[in-house]
Amino acid sequence: NAGVTQTPKFQVLKTGQSMTLQCAQDMNHEYMSWYRQDPGMGLRLIHYSVGAGITDQGEVPNGYNVSRSTTEDFPLRLLSAAPSQTSVYFCASSRDRRAEAFFGQGTRLTVV
Amino acid sequence: GESVGLHLPTLSVQEGDNSIINCAYSNSASDYFIWYKQESGKGPQFIIDIRSNMDKRQGQRVTVLLNKTVKHLSLQIAATQPGDSAVYFCAEYSGTASKLTFGTGTRLQVTL
Repeated sequence: NAGVTQTPKFQVLKTGQSMTLQCAQDMNHEYMSWYRQDPGMGLRLIHYSVGAGITDQGEVPNGYNVSRSTTEDFPLRLLSAAPSQTSVYFCASSRDRRAEAFFGQGTRLTVV
Repeated sequence: GESVGLHLPTLSVQEGDNSIINCAYSNSASDYFIWYKQESGKGPQFIIDIRSNMDKRQGQRVTVLLNKTVKHLSLQIAATQPGDSAVYFCAEYSGTASKLTFGTGTRLQVTL
């Protein structure tokens, strides 16, 4: 049972480049979410989805897009990377928004 | 997870002692609280949760206490082991805000 799988684990981008962070879960969870983790700021919610075809903004959505075409996958897109997006990104899934969340291993992104 | 650490409060305990990690939450309407453990280079891992209609919940070697009067949450770890060394986050969920808000974390260091 793989749980939540994120790829890549590490990425360096140049300012203005675009990329997609992949997230997949095999637990048939309806709720999925993306967080970023910065020093001294805990985890902040970027976007979330309560089911296939439904997404919504979290606390810090600017500069990021998401889609949820299947229950399993919830990719996060950076359209034009900025140095302020240098962070560690975590994808999580849970049965519903109140239930225990399972996190992926994280993607460490550096934008230069 | 290594990016969280520069400004974290740190609790140092000796192996075998009990640990108490504290958390102050902000929203009096929060009705669900969770503790997560994050080891170096990994995503957060669920430890224990508690609903607002309870003031204490016990798991294996862990106890969570909730004091709604002063909006305080604590995690007690009995007989702390080297494997308990990690960053611990509390998170609060508010049904009205429909989001999970994470605290900034506390680093637990277990000395031999």
